[in-house]
Amino acid sequence: AQSVTQLDSHVSVSEGTPVLLRCNYSSSYSPSLFWYVQHPNKGLQLLLKYTSAATLVKGINGFEAEFKKSETSFHLTKPSAHMSDAAEYFCVVSDAGGYNKLIFGAGTRLAVHP
Amino acid sequence: ETGVTQTPRHLVMGMTNKKSLKCEQHLGHNAMYWYKQSAKKPLELMFVYNFKEQTENNSVPSRFSPECPNSSHLFLHLHTLQPEDSALYLCASSQDTSVVPKNIQYFGAGTRLSVL
Repeated sequence: AQSVTQLDSHVSVSEGTPVLLRCNYSSSYSPSLFWYVQHPNKGLQLLLKYTSAATLVKGINGFEAEFKKSETSFHLTKPSAHMSDAAEYFCVVSDAGGYNKLIFGAGTRLAVHP
Repeated sequence: ETGVTQTPRHLVMGMTNKKSLKCEQHLGHNAMYWYKQSAKKPLELMFVYNFKEQTENNSVPSRFSPECPNSSHLFLHLHTLQPEDSALYLCASSQDTSVVPKNIQYFGAGTRLSVL
């Protein structure tokens, strides 16, 4: 069975400092992994995806994530936070075989302070 | 703008009302989804339609009734709801429900539902 755990429900950073949002997954198959972002009163927007190609994945708005199979992790990073990055971030896993149901993490709320 | 439009954006209804949520996608996709997003809970998948056929009903109470008349439109009909049904209801679409990248989902902005 697949599952995803976002290790922090809230993360607070200062503008211009690095961002790290942690995600661990469990999957019986070769997983596909995603990060989605949700700004207030908006739907979810796809940030980036890992689909068994390069393990370091670059997404929109300067975000990237690294797939580490040995650690079953897919942490999201950004070198320098911007005020507009304040949002909720969801780590998502989908198995590669059969019907691809997406399993969402509980979300991490990122606050960015001036 | 993701190409998935949900209306209305906000809805307040009493427990005896009947209302419908609408979702429309302009992406040429064949799969559509309803999710429920409640405070402090993970996103919950409710229903999946692939090529207009319902392929998943995630043990959703019968007071929620989906309808998919064509691949571009998805409705969620609501009747005799409970206050605990208050949540953000999100619609998503994907090319289909097969392997990545065809199953990557694109979301609408949601309908914020309040049941009094």
